[in-house]
Amino acid sequence: QKEVEQNSGPLSVPEGAIASLNCTYSDRVSQSFFWYRQYSGKSPELIMSIYSNGDKEDGRFTAQLNKASQYVSLLIRDSQPSDSATYLCAVNGQAGTALIFGKGTTLSVSS
Amino acid sequence: DTGVSQDPRHKITKRGQNVTFRCDPISEHNRLYWYRQTLGQGPEFLTYFQNEAQLEKSRLLSDRFSAERPKGSFSTLEIQRTEQGDSAMYLCASSRTINTEAFFGQGTRLTVV
Repeated sequence: QKEVEQNSGPLSVPEGAIASLNCTYSDRVSQSFFWYRQYSGKSPELIMSIYSNGDKEDGRFTAQLNKASQYVSLLIRDSQPSDSATYLCAVNGQAGTALIFGKGTTLSVSS
Repeated sequence: DTGVSQDPRHKITKRGQNVTFRCDPISEHNRLYWYRQTLGQGPEFLTYFQNEAQLEKSRLLSDRFSAERPKGSFSTLEIQRTEQGDSAMYLCASSRTINTEAFFGQGTRLTVV
């Protein structure tokens, strides 16, 4: 059974700080990795995708991937109260497999 | 492109009734996924399609659940003989092809009373 693990939190950071969200996955041949943001009562919204080892930056967001360690992370710089949400890690394995989600980490940014 | 569209947005049904949900993916997206999400949990994979072919079903999926994607366009998810434990948000997502970004619809919230 392919698994995606996240710390459920809550992760609490003050406004302006860096929030660090982590995810590990069990399928060694996984090929694509995604972070989604989900506000309460809403559907998940894609915020980042990463396919190769290293860092990928998009505005205040940086995704980091380490396939050897089977680890993917999301950094949010200059955190804002509007970033308060649940962040979901999703992993897609080799061809023909489904997109699997972790349970999510709840982030709370206090002003 | 219009986004992924799901219908209905909300459904209240009595236990034992059948319900059907519809998902219209983003145009030209070949992959279509169905997920179920309950409070405090991540989306739980149910099934997915590559065009009209149903490639995988969750082992946890009861035989009361069935999904179709005729002609590789919209998809329907049917739940027969609903139970209170079926109450959840049912999410549909689509992606252009294998391993590409998936986008979600607004979801269908099912309440079984």
